[in-house]
Amino acid sequence: AQSVTQLGSHVSVSEGALVLLRCNYSSSVPPYLFWYVQYPNQGLQLLLKYTSAATLVKGINGFEAEFKKSETSFHLTKPSAHMSDAAEYFCAVSDGAGGYQKVTFGIGTKLQVIP
Amino acid sequence: NAGVTQTPKFQVLKTGQSMTLQCAQDMNHNSMYWYRQDPGMGLRLIYYSASEGTTDKGEVPNGYNVSRLNKREFSLRLESAAPSQTSVYFCASSDRQGLTAQYFGPGTRLLVL
Repeated sequence: AQSVTQLGSHVSVSEGALVLLRCNYSSSVPPYLFWYVQYPNQGLQLLLKYTSAATLVKGINGFEAEFKKSETSFHLTKPSAHMSDAAEYFCAVSDGAGGYQKVTFGIGTKLQVIP
Repeated sequence: NAGVTQTPKFQVLKTGQSMTLQCAQDMNHNSMYWYRQDPGMGLRLIYYSASEGTTDKGEVPNGYNVSRLNKREFSLRLESAAPSQTSVYFCASSDRQGLTAQYFGPGTRLLVL
């Protein structure tokens, strides 16, 4: 069974500092991995996705994530935090096997950006 | 393109009342999903429809029913609402089941008293 673990339900960074949101996954087959962002009172929006091409994936708003198979990780980073990055971030995994591919979401990490 | 739309945005129900949450997408996606979001629990899949004409249970289907009315529309029905169903409900759609990104609606906030 696939699963996702997001380390840290709340992360605070200063404006301009590095953002690092951690995600570890478990999957019996090569996974598809996603990061979504949710702003207050809105639905989730896709930030980026990994689908077995390049291991370093670039997304919107300056975010990127690196797939590390040996560490079963897919951490999300941004070099310099902006106030507008304050939101909740969800990591998700899909096993990509035949038939219906269930997507499992992590419990989310709330990012606070301190001026 | 409106993407994924959901109605209503807010609803207050009394225990035992019924209601239907509506969802529509205009991206010609095959697959549609209903999730509930509760604090500290992330998103949990209630039901999904891999393609028009099919529906299947997700992680937490009890107390809910769904209808895939056509390729665009996927509704979620609460037959007899309970306080435990107080939540935020999201509809989503995707092109190829779990292989591509899911596109989410803005959500329906439901309070059951």
